[in-house]
Amino acid sequence: DGGITQSPKYLFRKEGQNVTLSCEQNLNHDAMYWYRQDPGQGLRLIYYSQIVNDFQKGDIAEGYSVSREKKESFPLTVTSAQKNPTAFYLCASTRDIEAFFGQGTRLTVV
Amino acid sequence: KQEVTQIPAALSVPEGENLVLNCSFTDSAIYNLQWFRQDPGKGLTSLLLIQSSQREQTSGRLNASLDKSSGRSTLYIAASQPGDSATYLCAVRPSWSGYALNFGKGTSLLVTP
Repeated sequence: DGGITQSPKYLFRKEGQNVTLSCEQNLNHDAMYWYRQDPGQGLRLIYYSQIVNDFQKGDIAEGYSVSREKKESFPLTVTSAQKNPTAFYLCASTRDIEAFFGQGTRLTVV
Repeated sequence: KQEVTQIPAALSVPEGENLVLNCSFTDSAIYNLQWFRQDPGKGLTSLLLIQSSQREQTSGRLNASLDKSSGRSTLYIAASQPGDSATYLCAVRPSWSGYALNFGKGTSLLVTP
């Protein structure tokens, strides 16, 4: 089955820890994106990448980092500099015009 | 900056009703508009995509229209069913954004039996 796989589904982070969220796609899509969703809010763009080894900051990139070493993979690291990381994180990809999303990772600070 | 607004924020209807969800955007320079469905705790499922040159798209009981000049889109759901209960999100891709979508906050729909 083609699609976007995010893991883990649930993630708990202690104060001061860095954590990495995985996003893998087998759709052969060029562009990939990370969004953050908070209750009652729309999705906000964190980072996006249109090609391998290149990525751009979105609207809320502070406290996050990404890499794009392979076309299929776009991991997101939530660093200790992100003061309010508890949220639902969604990864997406596009080839031409249509966007497809993974099932999300819920990150909670404990 | 592109702003996307969805009205109403929440809607409850009895099964069988036809309903309309509204989406407005501030900048008409868009590449396309996409409607998504989100179930609680889940990712987004693409429902319909309308390119900037198109006026509407249909899929089963769903019909989405686009009036780019006025910055509006509507999602029409015919003969609603309890299984349609979900949050519906509208997203626009501005022509200048590098293909990143701008989202509204969604309409939470509840269809009661």
